[in-house]
Amino acid sequence: GNSVTQMEGPVTLSEEAFLTINCTYTATGYPSLFWYVQYPGEGLQLLLKATKADDKGSNKGFEATYRKETTSFHLEKGSVQVSDSAVYFCALDNQGGKLIFGQGTELSVKP
Amino acid sequence: DTAVSQTPKYLVTQMGNDKSIKCEQNLGHDTMYWYKQDSKKFLKIMFSYNNKELIINETVPNRFSPKSPDKAHLNLHINSLELGDSAVYFCASSQKTSGTDTQYFGPGTRLTVL
Repeated sequence: GNSVTQMEGPVTLSEEAFLTINCTYTATGYPSLFWYVQYPGEGLQLLLKATKADDKGSNKGFEATYRKETTSFHLEKGSVQVSDSAVYFCALDNQGGKLIFGQGTELSVKP
Repeated sequence: DTAVSQTPKYLVTQMGNDKSIKCEQNLGHDTMYWYKQDSKKFLKIMFSYNNKELIINETVPNRFSPKSPDKAHLNLHINSLELGDSAVYFCASSQKTSGTDTQYFGPGTRLTVL
C-alpha cells in the first residue's frame, strides 16, 4: 500500500541553523509529493509540492526534490527563523485527491 | 475572506449525542474533503466529494455521514458519539480530484467527547 515515513520529532534548532526533515515514501505508480505546514492552532497549508521525478518544489526558502530512485522528498531550509516553528507534514497523492500523510515532524526554533 | 471555513471551532459534548460540523468553501472548487487528526497529530482522510458526489469513503464507522447540499458545502454528521471520536476534524477543498491539486484546509474543529 501507499505510505509516508518522516523523521521523528521534535526537532529543536537555533535561529539561522540549517534544517533537514527526512521523508521517504512507498507507493505504486507515480505519486505527487507535498509538504504541508501546520502552525499552532491553525489548519494545514501547502508549503511546496512536486508532481514528477526530479522536480524541485520551493517556497519561502524551503525546498525539496522528488527523488524517485531513493523514494524520498526531504525538506531543507538554509537558515531557519523562529517563525518557522510549526509541524511539518510530508504527503503523497496517487489516487486522485486521497492525500496520505506522514506522522508529522514538530520543529521548534529558538532565538 | 476566509477560503475554507468550519463551524464550530470547538465542540464539547457527551457520549451518545449526535452532532454536526459544517464546512464551506468560497474558492469555487469542485472537490471537498474531511480529515481526522488524532491526539498524536496523525492525519487520515475520511471522505471526499466531487460536485456533491461521494468519491472517497475510507473505512469510517457508519455513524459518520457526510452531506453535500451543494459543491460549496460539505457537512459532517456524527451519530452516537464515542470517546474515540475526540479529535480535530479538518475540512479541505481542491479545484478537481487530480492527484496534483493543492488542497486548501479549514482551521479545524476540535471535538471533545466526555
